[in-house]
Amino acid sequence: AQSVTQPDIHITVSEGASLELRCNYSYGATPYLFWYVQSPGQGLQLLLKYFSGDTLVQGIKGFEAEFKRSQSSFNLRKPSVHWSDAAEYFCAVAANFNKFYFGSGTKLNVKP
Amino acid sequence: DAGVTQSPTHLIKTRGQHVTLRCSPISGHKSVSWYQQVLGQGPQFIFQYYEKEERGRGNFPDRFSARQFPNYSSELNVNALLLGDSALYLCASSFRQGAGNEKLFFGSGTQLSVL
Repeated sequence: AQSVTQPDIHITVSEGASLELRCNYSYGATPYLFWYVQSPGQGLQLLLKYFSGDTLVQGIKGFEAEFKRSQSSFNLRKPSVHWSDAAEYFCAVAANFNKFYFGSGTKLNVKP
Repeated sequence: DAGVTQSPTHLIKTRGQHVTLRCSPISGHKSVSWYQQVLGQGPQFIFQYYEKEERGRGNFPDRFSARQFPNYSSELNVNALLLGDSALYLCASSFRQGAGNEKLFFGSGTQLSVL
């Protein structure tokens, strides 16, 4: 069965520090993987996606993610975090009919 | 261009009542999906509609139903509301039905509170 695990519920980093958010997935076939960001009371905004090809994908706002099939992981990274990056981040794997399986999210706090 | 729009933004109902939530997809998008996001959790898939037909259904009771209109807008209906139905309901649109390789664009959601 398809599932996504985000092991970190909360993460706090200092502004300017690097960031890595972990995501592990379970899916029987080639996964389509996504990272979304959600600000309080808002919908989800797509940061980046992996469908195939280069395993390092670039997204908006300076984010990138690396697909590692051997580890069933799709971790999100950013070299230097800005205060405006504080939000909740969701990893998702997509199956047929646009049925997305989301992780439970990681809340990012940014210290000044 | 307008994004995905949902109405109303907030709604308060009591147990046993019925609710209808509405969604307008991005212009040109033919697929609408509905998700439920309970506080502290990730969104859970409820339905997908494409070309006015239900194409996918998540693990939700029959109290939940939806439809898609000829202009591709959609309604989500929930009957006999329970306290546990309190959640943010998100609508997402995409151009095609997709085999998982479609980008979903989400609305800001309808916050439903059941008292």
